[in-house]
Amino acid sequence: GAGVSQSPRYKVAKRGQDVALRCDPISGHVSLFWYQQALGQGPEFLTYFQNEAQLDKSGLPSDRFFAERPEGSVSTLKIQRTQQEDSAVYLCASSLSRGGTEAFFGQGTRLTVV
Amino acid sequence: DQQVKQNSPSLSVQEGRISILNCDYTNSMFDYFLWYKKYPAEGPTFLISISSIKDKNEDGRFTVFLNKSAKHLSLHIVPSQPGDSAVYFCAASAGDYGQNFVFGPGTRLSVLP
Repeated sequence: GAGVSQSPRYKVAKRGQDVALRCDPISGHVSLFWYQQALGQGPEFLTYFQNEAQLDKSGLPSDRFFAERPEGSVSTLKIQRTQQEDSAVYLCASSLSRGGTEAFFGQGTRLTVV
Repeated sequence: DQQVKQNSPSLSVQEGRISILNCDYTNSMFDYFLWYKKYPAEGPTFLISISSIKDKNEDGRFTVFLNKSAKHLSLHIVPSQPGDSAVYFCAASAGDYGQNFVFGPGTRLSVLP
């Protein structure tokens, strides 16, 4: 596709359930980012990949959050034992290279933990 | 402590007039700044950017101004159109990766017909 694609668009999880969120970046984009956006706030950085290497995971809020990009393309954000405070929109972005270029965002996955 | 601040949660402007959205930052290491626009139920869309070596960048109706000494940037939209109504996020980046963007909380712009 032409843009960043995320699936599912919406996910409702029961508290304690594990979830996996998928991101298909723009083909050829080296950099991939995950952000978390709470209602009424700006996106907050979670983690960054350059190709398959996870170079920065400083924004992951707890060890229940795990991200991977094994082949340097598709990425998965996994949240184990979901809690209500995990409810947010999870945004994926990709960019052609590092430094000096904009990132293109997907539509996001809205996660609601009940 | 917010590194990127947008102190106006909302702004209303008449169609045809100028919209000015403001953004302040605290981290002097930031060297690249971007504005994103977001419609409901969509991801942020890149609008315009500016490097710290410049103080102005213009793209059609959109102009971004950077005042490094004041750690302040602003987005000017002129003339404003109803389709510009959206939430606008200011973002900044620095460091080795250059793109670990730090976002502000956003300003909701409403352009009234």
